[in-house]
Amino acid sequence: ETGVTQSPTHLIKTRGQQVTLRCSSQSGHNTVSWYQQALGQGPQFIFQYYREEENGRGNFPPRFSGLQFPNYSSELNVNALELDDSALYLCASSTGPGLTTGELFFGEGSRLTVL
Amino acid sequence: RKEVEQDPGPFNVPEGATVAFNCTYSNSASQSFFWYRQDCRKEPKLLMSVYSSGNEDGRFTAQLNRASQYISLLIRDSKLSDSATYLCVVALIKAAGNKLTFGGGTRVLVKP
Repeated sequence: ETGVTQSPTHLIKTRGQQVTLRCSSQSGHNTVSWYQQALGQGPQFIFQYYREEENGRGNFPPRFSGLQFPNYSSELNVNALELDDSALYLCASSTGPGLTTGELFFGEGSRLTVL
Repeated sequence: RKEVEQDPGPFNVPEGATVAFNCTYSNSASQSFFWYRQDCRKEPKLLMSVYSSGNEDGRFTAQLNRASQYISLLIRDSKLSDSATYLCVVALIKAAGNKLTFGGGTRVLVKP
């Protein structure tokens, strides 16, 4: 167990709807990053939050947004859902943004299906 | 060209054999490199970091070739439990923000 928890574990939405996914980071970790993993592919970096500020972003449109709270937990929001947004969304926490130790601790993910 | 590329496999490996595979990256400014392991329907977990001089952790050896922009992973004496997808991760750390790029993964199947 990594100590990173995500909710919900599974959800089904329809096109055009909005979704919020939540992540509680491991104790002592101040950095959270979010990834989208489609079936059979590697995780794609969405963005990273460090001390409540976005600290890096991948190639995702603005309808993907996030927040990090003072307790370092985080949310991923996706607006105007599209069918291609169906994927496993992984949250990972770490002790800092620089990855000098390299370890990202992943949660088990939230599996989103868009119909 | 993808930023980080891996042979998707699967690599079918007899138990006890050695298997090796590479991961190429396109951004020469990349600074940190890692191998993660992902079991079926599970989250990725760090296997090992990759250092410039190469490093070993038990049966696993990782190498970095900056000139040719690839990292490699070698598994000796393969065990059935080594069956998994191996993901390489390349990190670019910048003042404007960090970027973490995963490869698509290499699937390894170790068979008796």
